[in-house]
Amino acid sequence: DAGVIQSPRHEVTEMGQEVTLRCKPISGHDYLFWYRQTMMRGLELLIYFNNNVPIDDSGMPEDRFSAKMPNASFSTLKIQPSEPRDSAVYFCASSYLREQYFGPGTRLTVT
Amino acid sequence: KQEVTQIPAALSVPEGENLVLNCSFTDSAIYNLQWFRQDPGKGLTSLLLIQSSQREQTSGRLNASLDKSSGRSTLYIAASQPGDSATYLCAFDRDDKIIFGKGTRLHILP
Repeated sequence: DAGVIQSPRHEVTEMGQEVTLRCKPISGHDYLFWYRQTMMRGLELLIYFNNNVPIDDSGMPEDRFSAKMPNASFSTLKIQPSEPRDSAVYFCASSYLREQYFGPGTRLTVT
Repeated sequence: KQEVTQIPAALSVPEGENLVLNCSFTDSAIYNLQWFRQDPGKGLTSLLLIQSSQREQTSGRLNASLDKSSGRSTLYIAASQPGDSATYLCAFDRDDKIIFGKGTRLHILP
């Protein structure tokens, strides 16, 4: 398996624009997680899914953030509208039997 | 509020030394504890996973222990090498939450 795949790897956008981050989990994994990492706050869990169903989205900072998992092999994290304070590295991770495997991340810069 | 603390935030040691990284948590009702490595500009790589019924796990030069009663986990690295330089993060999870520490930046001096 190729591991967790995220796209794009880098995204630069202007404030107010919509941003969509994509994730393909490892086949057979039943959990999928979205994280955000910044120097100030470290790694924060935004939302996670179990068998494609959102379980806990209490970490999603605002209504501007939304996440979907339409099937077992694909998930998106959308920010609309984006703001400069959303600049961070966003990681997707998947797990089976609770051991997490991370993707390479998407570095988002909002100007 | 459950918290995970990693001390020190940064550590430099000469190559070849054995070292211990610490992780403490406030909630003893954890399910698992996992140690990760993160290289600059990269994602996290899983090193060791200790399930709640276990007390330690070993992989090569790495050994991780878990003491739920004291709220502590340690990651022991034997015979450190310059390639071990990275940030090491611990994370604990319960059924409803996964919380990461802020990590220890380790620098092995050649």
